[in-house]
Amino acid sequence: DTGVSQNPRHKITKRGQNVTFRCDPISEHNRLYWYRQTLGQGPEFLTYFQNEAQLEKSRLLSDRFSAERPKGSFSTLEIQRTEQGDSAMYLCASSSYRTANTEAFFGQGTRLTVV
Amino acid sequence: DAKTTQPNSMESNEEEPVHLPCNHSTISGTDYIHWYRQLPSQGPEYVIHGLTSNVNNRMASLAIAEDRKSSTLILHRATLRDAAVYYCILTGAGSYQLTFGKGTKLSVIP
Repeated sequence: DTGVSQNPRHKITKRGQNVTFRCDPISEHNRLYWYRQTLGQGPEFLTYFQNEAQLEKSRLLSDRFSAERPKGSFSTLEIQRTEQGDSAMYLCASSSYRTANTEAFFGQGTRLTVV
Repeated sequence: DAKTTQPNSMESNEEEPVHLPCNHSTISGTDYIHWYRQLPSQGPEYVIHGLTSNVNNRMASLAIAEDRKSSTLILHRATLRDAAVYYCILTGAGSYQLTFGKGTKLSVIP
């Protein structure tokens, strides 16, 4: 297993366009998280899945954002009608329910630039 | 989640020990103390975690004060690859969400 994989690594889009990012977690992990990180700040929690169920969404996740994990494996994060303020690094992480309160494994992120 | 306070930046010479402090005076009895680090252009990486007792692993040691209001991450011999932002994070029992602050940027001088 090569860890958490995110695609694409970089995305440049024009304001108003829709974008979709993909995250492939570590295969046996049933928990999946999305975070957003802007320059000079720590990552901020966006949403959390346990298997295919989305159990929590941050207030940061506006109506333009939607995340899915249809079969409890990979996940997608879609941003509709992108704005310049959406420019950030989008990080995905996964963990196992067996190790709650311990280690979350992060991917290398997708850097979004909205022009 | 309770808040943590860390210095913005620290410097260390290569091959010397580094002590990274974290204050968490409002920690509750069931909060775990986690440390993650983030190398440039990488996602965060788990370093270590603990509840009450000091902990050691291959990467670092975690020293937790007796009153649990502070903790120290110890890198025994800093290398250039340890240059990163180090985050001290508290999580409640059963919690899955990590609340990152700004962390401490560690620079390692050759």
